[in-house]
Amino acid sequence: GAVVSQHPSRVICKSGTSVKIECRSLDFQATTMFWYRQFPKQSLMLMATSNEGSKATYEQGVEKDKFLINHASLTLSTLTVTSAHPEDSSFYICSAFGYGYTFGSGTRLTVV
Amino acid sequence: EDKVVQSPLSLVVHEGDTVTLNCSYEVTNFRSLLWYKQEKKAPTFLFMLTSSGIEKKSGRLSSILDKKELSSILNITATQTGDSAIYLCAVEAGGHFNKFYFGSGTKLNVKP
Repeated sequence: GAVVSQHPSRVICKSGTSVKIECRSLDFQATTMFWYRQFPKQSLMLMATSNEGSKATYEQGVEKDKFLINHASLTLSTLTVTSAHPEDSSFYICSAFGYGYTFGSGTRLTVV
Repeated sequence: EDKVVQSPLSLVVHEGDTVTLNCSYEVTNFRSLLWYKQEKKAPTFLFMLTSSGIEKKSGRLSSILDKKELSSILNITATQTGDSAIYLCAVEAGGHFNKFYFGSGTKLNVKP
């Protein structure tokens, strides 16, 4: 079946540094990838939608200069949290659309 | 290999019907099982289940976890066209760091 690999699973970084999270579709080509952030009470918020070879579409309220998304190939999308702050600490999940929605296993980001 | 399997993959019913969606899992360090409804932008959280045999209910939706059978069901009674969506099951695994394993979803189509 379709598999999406998300790395790293967990990252701790210092405030002010940047962190890159990778989302890779292993056995299918994902024309579209989505990035979500988990909030309390298990809700997921869509941050942005990326299509291969074009700029990502960000949801209202999401700073595109802070959350850089690159979808350079049909199998890889990256989310870079730039100049991370403690309030960016969260759980980030990607999903890729190929034959349906396939989710990665998530990345726990802790900014200290 | 940790995995979450949902069945059926798709389902077509008529308004007023009752549906049961299934989710089975093989996950190390099980922490919780979550159900989401995906319509447009982001999955909407429905239920989180941690204890076996305790039904959670919200309106026409209900869900229960069976840890012995490593499965959960989501019931929707008196379905309406607005219930048409993809229903996602996810299992949160604990351990050194938490991970989410998503099923491929069940696409429900409720016809008038």
